[in-house]
Amino acid sequence: ETGVTQSPTHLIKTRGQQVTLRCSSQSGHNTVSWYQQALGQGPQFIFQYYREEENGRGNFPPRFSGLQFPNYSSELNVNALELDDSALYLCASSLATRGGGNEQFFGPGTRLTVL
Amino acid sequence: AQSVTQLGSHVSVSEGALVLLRCNYSSSVPPYLFWYVQYPNQGLQLLLKYTSAATLVKGINGFEAEFKKSETSFHLTKPSAHMSDAAEYFCVLDNNAGNMLTFGGGTRLMVKP
Repeated sequence: ETGVTQSPTHLIKTRGQQVTLRCSSQSGHNTVSWYQQALGQGPQFIFQYYREEENGRGNFPPRFSGLQFPNYSSELNVNALELDDSALYLCASSLATRGGGNEQFFGPGTRLTVL
Repeated sequence: AQSVTQLGSHVSVSEGALVLLRCNYSSSVPPYLFWYVQYPNQGLQLLLKYTSAATLVKGINGFEAEFKKSETSFHLTKPSAHMSDAAEYFCVLDNNAGNMLTFGGGTRLMVKP
């Protein structure tokens, strides 16, 4: 069973640029969630995708967008990068069931640095 | 609105001592609660989860947590700390719709020899 993988592991961008982060979900999972973890803080929910549709969004501006593909892999796109976007971006996959309590399986993250 | 508060951003214990990491939550619906651990340069790993089946939940690596509704708490304990337990621990609340996890600020556990 393959776990959640993310690419790239590290990325350096300059302010104003755009970035795309990628995530491959665990085999058998149909849901992908993205989180932003600033240094020294807990992860913050960005959004979730279920069957290629956005299924919930946290308090992030529209310049944060995403996609989920038919194979359930996902992309996180961030436009007009700001210095405060520097963080560890975590992807998590899960198998959606009715209600909550579903375990989310996390990838190792992509470390984004914005200069 | 829901929230999670972890008391103590850093906790230091001696090897073999009791580990107690505190978590309080606020939720307008019956919560699902988790504890995740994050080792350096690794992804978050589930330690245990509460889903209303039992108030005392046992997890991996000897950890357990007790859900106390009256105190809105979900503290994590381990009877005897091991050096390998040194990591960042997060208390996490599920919004009961399965689509959003709310994380506490984290507690860094340090284990002294």
